[in-house]
Amino acid sequence: VQLLESGGGLVQPGGSLRLSCAASGFSFRSYSMTWVRQAAGKGLEWVSIISDGGGHTYYADSVKGRFTISRDDSKNTLFLQMNSLRAEDTAIYYCVKVHGEPIWGQGTVVTVSS
Amino acid sequence: DVVMTQTPLSSPVTLGQPASISCRSSQSLVHSNGDTYLTWLQQRPGQPPRLLIYKISNRFSGVPDTFSGSGAGTDFTLKISRVEAEDVGVYYCMQASHWPITFGQGTRLEIK
Repeated sequence: VQLLESGGGLVQPGGSLRLSCAASGFSFRSYSMTWVRQAAGKGLEWVSIISDGGGHTYYADSVKGRFTISRDDSKNTLFLQMNSLRAEDTAIYYCVKVHGEPIWGQGTVVTVSS
Repeated sequence: DVVMTQTPLSSPVTLGQPASISCRSSQSLVHSNGDTYLTWLQQRPGQPPRLLIYKISNRFSGVPDTFSGSGAGTDFTLKISRVEAEDVGVYYCMQASHWPITFGQGTRLEIK
């Protein structure tokens, strides 16, 4: 049972990244999924959530209009498309299953800097 | 959004002594399905968060029984019966009963 994030890296302000989260060991399609981030030395911040089936999505005000969450249940994969990146988006991004028995990924590092 | 308030924000504890962290929510965390999605996480220095307790009182596999969770509605508590050196870190409560999910500010547990 695990979540494995990938796709992080160094990007210039205004650039884009696409994060992926590969799920295994549970019925991925049955659960809503969430992205959470943590900037260095800061607390945990919810970023976005997508319902099981993908019909409902929600975003933190800080990323609304710039980030898009999606899922591919045939591949047990969650995505976060991040556009118009800013320095304040620099953080470790975690993929999280919050309901049932929660699962927390190891995270992928996103650095936005020129 | 549901506001999660943790107290204390810092907790100096003597090794072998108990510790307790409170988490209060601005509204009931009972989900429409009857479950209460209150989770406790531990973050050791330089590590990703580690899941300790889910649905108020259920310990994750590998979590020692010195950790216990309790509470209902809007008031929840994480207790460590005997603090060990490896328990140092920041503890967060998280609610997932209402969207968006929200976190407490974190409580730093340190050894006196």
